[in-house]
Amino acid sequence: EIEMTQSPATLSVSPGEGATLSCRASQSVSSNLAWYQQKPGQAPRLLIYGASTRATGIPARFSGSGSGTEFALTISSLQSEDFAVYFCQQYNNWPLTFGGGTKVEIK
Amino acid sequence: EVQLVESGGGLVLPGGSLRLSCAASGFTFSNSAMNWVRQAPGKGLEWVSTISASGGRTYYADSVKGRFVISRDNSKNTLHLQMNSLSAEDTAVYYCAKGLFGSGSANDYWGQGTLVAVSS
Repeated sequence: EIEMTQSPATLSVSPGEGATLSCRASQSVSSNLAWYQQKPGQAPRLLIYGASTRATGIPARFSGSGSGTEFALTISSLQSEDFAVYFCQQYNNWPLTFGGGTKVEIK
Repeated sequence: EVQLVESGGGLVLPGGSLRLSCAASGFTFSNSAMNWVRQAPGKGLEWVSTISASGGRTYYADSVKGRFVISRDNSKNTLHLQMNSLSAEDTAVYYCAKGLFGSGSANDYWGQGTLVAVSS
């Protein structure tokens, strides 16, 4: 099973600032990596797939990078609606696995 | 508009069974792999099971293998998850999610989830 490790667990950011979230895989997942955003009481929303492709309707301030075992999600200028928990997921191998999440909170 | 609506959750005794359903609309259901993903209270996401578009291939997490069965009815645009031998560790919100591409891909649409609580 591929283990996905996200860091940091919590990120405190002021509105308007940028943020970079990290996701590391225990073995290569090529570019088969997705990022999701989840707000309290809501279902996850797909942000990025293929490590760097924005999903339909996702603002350009969200960008993904990386391949192999090291990945990043960058939010260029945080808006109020961006404070949430972010999960990465690998879909290169069964079982599909998620990272533990990074909570982005208001500083 | 894509819609996924789960139903069938509730409170069940340890060792009991429950059948979840997910009604899909707004896309060609028979062309899409489908997934169940769960989230225990206050915890992260855990993939549970995937079924291919035709229903011919199924995949399970080790934690549910042998106890859960995923199925689909393409004539009714409905996904199911039969859950048997439930334990407290199965307590979670269960989400139905549409595969972006084939089996084993990102999930581009999610339902709002249905809560399964296993307790005596």
